[in-house]
Amino acid sequence: GAVVSQHPSRVICKSGTSVKIECRSLDFQATTMFWYRQFPKQSLMLMATSNEGSKATYEQGVEKDKFLINHASLTLSTLTVTSAHPEDSSFYICSEKLGPDEQFFGPGTRLTVL
Amino acid sequence: KQEVTQIPAALSVPEGENLVLNCSFTDSAIYNLQWFRQDPGKGLTSLLLIQSSQREQTSGRLNASLDKSSGRSTLYIAASQPGDSATYLCAVRPGTGRRALTFGSGTRLQVQP
Repeated sequence: GAVVSQHPSRVICKSGTSVKIECRSLDFQATTMFWYRQFPKQSLMLMATSNEGSKATYEQGVEKDKFLINHASLTLSTLTVTSAHPEDSSFYICSEKLGPDEQFFGPGTRLTVL
Repeated sequence: KQEVTQIPAALSVPEGENLVLNCSFTDSAIYNLQWFRQDPGKGLTSLLLIQSSQREQTSGRLNASLDKSSGRSTLYIAASQPGDSATYLCAVRPGTGRRALTFGSGTRLQVQP
């Protein structure tokens, strides 16, 4: 399957700061990327869908000004959590879609906001 | 809105047992269904993908079935091993296949040696 990397794998930050998470597809060009959030012992919840070169589409209840998504190239998407608060602490996973059948997931980023 | 439910939420079995994990979804208009494994603090590993036109898929000790009309899927694990301990997630892709997967809350499996 396709390889998707995320960086960083773990990040701890102070409340009020911004954190950027990178998602890269290493062996194919992804026109569509998804960002998910997973709270402890809960399932993955879709946050937004981004298409290369256009604005991201956010799911209901997800603040677009707080979770900035940039999909500037076919191999890189970034999620920036702005003015992070402790309630933003979560596991963030990016995913890239290759056709209708396959969706490949990154290893995730554990964000802890103090 | 599609909702995916997995039962049981947690399961503990002795090594060697055969077991069944259940997944149900509310909207039968799905494109495909996928089962994933997630180890603690890790990303997802795809186990089996079933197209909406298929009834089952097999990979090694794993067998997944799909009854689209009733909105159900099962994951059967034969001869369970301690290494199978993980969270198993069921996810469905709606309609035409263009949208993202919708996930269930998972079943946390512990296989006792």
